[in-house]
Amino acid sequence: DVKVTQSSRYLVKRTGEKVFLECVQDMDHENMFWYRQDPGLGLRLIYFSYDVKMKEKGDIPEGYSVSREKKERFSLILESASTNQTSMYLCASSSGPQETQYFGPGTRLLVL
Amino acid sequence: LAKTTQPISMDSYEGQEVNITCSHNNIATNDYITWYQQFPSQGPRFIIQGYKTKVTNEVASLFIPADRKSSTLSLPRVSLSDTAVYYCLVDRSSYKLIFGSGTRLLVRP
Repeated sequence: DVKVTQSSRYLVKRTGEKVFLECVQDMDHENMFWYRQDPGLGLRLIYFSYDVKMKEKGDIPEGYSVSREKKERFSLILESASTNQTSMYLCASSSGPQETQYFGPGTRLLVL
Repeated sequence: LAKTTQPISMDSYEGQEVNITCSHNNIATNDYITWYQQFPSQGPRFIIQGYKTKVTNEVASLFIPADRKSSTLSLPRVSLSDTAVYYCLVDRSSYKLIFGSGTRLLVRP
């Protein structure tokens, strides 16, 4: 079974703090993704990575950066957290562009 | 970019068949149609994927007409545990994915 784990289920941070969200997958997948999910807006792609050290912007990359130093790990970074970044963050991985995406349990981030 | 449209919500009763239709008028030749299920406080889970005609697995069936501008997810004999949000997704070969707004299915006893 594919396992995608996220470092925290719940996180509370203050405005202006630097926030790291980490995601690890154990299936040797090439592709990893970060989404945010907000009520009424569905899932929106922030960034994705198709290989180590490679990244591409999704639909809403502003205010975020990512890091992929190892194949199994994909980090989402909020350089200076703001209240409008309060959201559910979901990580996913897949073995190819049209292959099934496997999602982690999500991190619910609250920025005060 | 291909956009998907699906009903915001649906109600059903246990034991009934549920059909959720998704519209994707601008689907491209290389696009696949994928459906995910999401329970509260969990990440989405893959249900089924198809390109054309009909696909069936142990959970659901997916019907895609010849023009591929829509698709219908069919859940046979739903139970209370099928209450969830169902997302229609058009996969693009360039990795960019488009999730629909989701259909909130409520199954009543």
